[in-house]
Amino acid sequence: EPEVTQTPSHQVTQMGQEVILRCVPISNHLYFYWYRQILGQKVEFLVSFYNNEISEKSEIFDDQFSVERPDGSNFTLKIRSTKLEDSAMYFCASSDRSQPLKAQYFGPGTRLLVL
Amino acid sequence: RKEVEQDPGPFNVPEGATVAFNCTYSNSASQSFFWYRQDCRKEPKLLMSVYSSGNEDGRFTAQLNRASQYISLLIRDSKLSDSATYLCVVNPEGGGFKTIFGAGTRLFVKA
Repeated sequence: EPEVTQTPSHQVTQMGQEVILRCVPISNHLYFYWYRQILGQKVEFLVSFYNNEISEKSEIFDDQFSVERPDGSNFTLKIRSTKLEDSAMYFCASSDRSQPLKAQYFGPGTRLLVL
Repeated sequence: RKEVEQDPGPFNVPEGATVAFNCTYSNSASQSFFWYRQDCRKEPKLLMSVYSSGNEDGRFTAQLNRASQYISLLIRDSKLSDSATYLCVVNPEGGGFKTIFGAGTRLFVKA
């Protein structure tokens, strides 16, 4: 069964450093998403991406964040200058071309720890 | 009022029990509704979409009441493996991609 993959599984970084989280969505999917989940809290929408551009973003997704689809398979989330409060699990998700409002399939997540 | 609200639980039930989870949402224009489950420190996994007429998948039944802005999930004949957090998920605006998760209801099924 096709699945969303994410790398790395864990990332530890120093405050102020840049991090890039990587995702490979399911191959025939065209809608991509990033979410974060701070430990013990709910899953929060960050951004959605379609046709090589951001389709929607939340208040959390400020200028420190950016997304990119550098090639036909990868989808990345960059945090330019990490803060302590960026420590969280980051999930990538994708959904297929015919059903943008239908179910999203999540990757296993990257656990980011900012020290 | 929170955009998506769930009873946090936890619900502690014996194997074989029937358990029901409720969820309310604030945006009446919401179009798509889902139940996901999340195991500890894992990704959310789709359990089922929720259709206006209600739908069933094995031991799981989902209902939607648009007038009351209310979604429910019923689990019959609970198994130990059903122990997880159940997330109510809503797309709050027609045609939009933003997805709102509830905080989840924790379920423990005991032998």
